[in-house]
Amino acid sequence: KQEVTQIPAALSVPEGENLVLNCSFTDSAIYNLQWFRQDPGKGLTSLLLIQSSQREQTSGRLNASLDKSSGRSTLYIAASQPGDSATYLCADYGGSQGNLIFGKGTKLSVKP
Amino acid sequence: DGGITQSPKYLFRKEGQNVTLSCEQNLNHDAMYWYRQDPGQGLRLIYYSQIVNDFQKGDIAEGYSVSREKKESFPLTVTSAQKNPTAFYLCASSSYYLRSYNEQFFGPGTRLTVL
Repeated sequence: KQEVTQIPAALSVPEGENLVLNCSFTDSAIYNLQWFRQDPGKGLTSLLLIQSSQREQTSGRLNASLDKSSGRSTLYIAASQPGDSATYLCADYGGSQGNLIFGKGTKLSVKP
Repeated sequence: DGGITQSPKYLFRKEGQNVTLSCEQNLNHDAMYWYRQDPGQGLRLIYYSQIVNDFQKGDIAEGYSVSREKKESFPLTVTSAQKNPTAFYLCASSSYYLRSYNEQFFGPGTRLTVL
């Protein structure tokens, strides 16, 4: 059964710093992997979707990579801003019912 | 604007009461999902539906029921049999084509609290 792990659980950085969030998965037969952002009390906002045949996707200051052989994905945030403070979730489309398998998230705090 | 709506935003349930959470989408998606989110845990699948009048149990279906009478709607009922229903509930939808699931889009969520 696919398991998704995110480390660290929480991260605090000063504004302007570049940072990396990590996501690991146990089954290399991954289908697609998606990164989400969740603000407190809100739903999920999709950030980047990486299909299994791709190695990375970029959107603005965000870059997500996928390494199936090592079972890892990373989300790189450049020049972090206080508005980036949120919980970041990664999820694998590995569920047998087409559902997403989620990690528990990394709570990011960017200090002004 | 296309999207997914959930109502209500906040819901309070008394002991022994059934409550229904609404989920509507105008994305013309075939598949719809209900997830539950608890503090410190990842989202977990409650029920899913690939097509109208058909739905399947997810990992934590006990104490919940659903219906899929229309493509656009997938309401979730939290029954009195669900012993710990206080959580944040998220609805999602995706297209389903050639036995392949596509990107899921999420609604804003409903926070259910048991009084």
